[in-house]
Amino acid sequence: DSGVTQTPKHLITATGQRVTLRCSPRSGDLSVYWYQQSLDQGLQFLIQYYNGEERAKGNILERFSAQQFPDLHSELNLSSLELGDSALYFCASSEGGITDTQYFGPGTRLTVL
Amino acid sequence: AQKVTQAQTEISVVEKEDVTLDCVYETRDTTYYLFWYKQPPSGELVFLIRRNSFDEQNEISGRYSWNFQKSTSSFNFTITASQVVDSAVYFCALSEAQRAGSYQLTFGKGTKLSVIP
Repeated sequence: DSGVTQTPKHLITATGQRVTLRCSPRSGDLSVYWYQQSLDQGLQFLIQYYNGEERAKGNILERFSAQQFPDLHSELNLSSLELGDSALYFCASSEGGITDTQYFGPGTRLTVL
Repeated sequence: AQKVTQAQTEISVVEKEDVTLDCVYETRDTTYYLFWYKQPPSGELVFLIRRNSFDEQNEISGRYSWNFQKSTSSFNFTITASQVVDSAVYFCALSEAQRAGSYQLTFGKGTKLSVIP
């Protein structure tokens, strides 16, 4: 158990809908990263927050957004969902420095029908 | 831009055989970190090891060992006396400072290891 929690574990929804994925980092970790794992793209970095502020953006679609709250949990919002958004979404947390290891949550498997 | 290549897509070995998973990386930074993660069939990503660019000492942890060679930009992972529980997808990843405070991982495509009893 990495100490990172993600909910829900599975999510099935329809095209055009909006969903919210939730992540709680390990105790003491200030940085949260979101990654998407799909069959064609592999594991790709989406976005990073550090202590409530956006720190970096990767290959994140404009339909996707995220935020980190004062209690350090983070939410990833996916809107106008398309079939191609079906993937495993991981959250990872770290203390925040380059020397720090990112520990991953169990992931949320999103299926868009 | 950074890049991680895992040329072996799938490997099958018989239990108790040794197996080496290859990882080659590209980066322009002098300070970077390399990682290996394991993704078992259950789907979670499990951290195995972290290595910084200034430490080329090989590391051994039980049946696992890692060979880091800057001269060839490689960070290979060897499992000795493989077991069925080692069956998983293994990912090599690279972290470098995109800018201060941003250390996202760049992953390879992964190598699926199947250990046959």
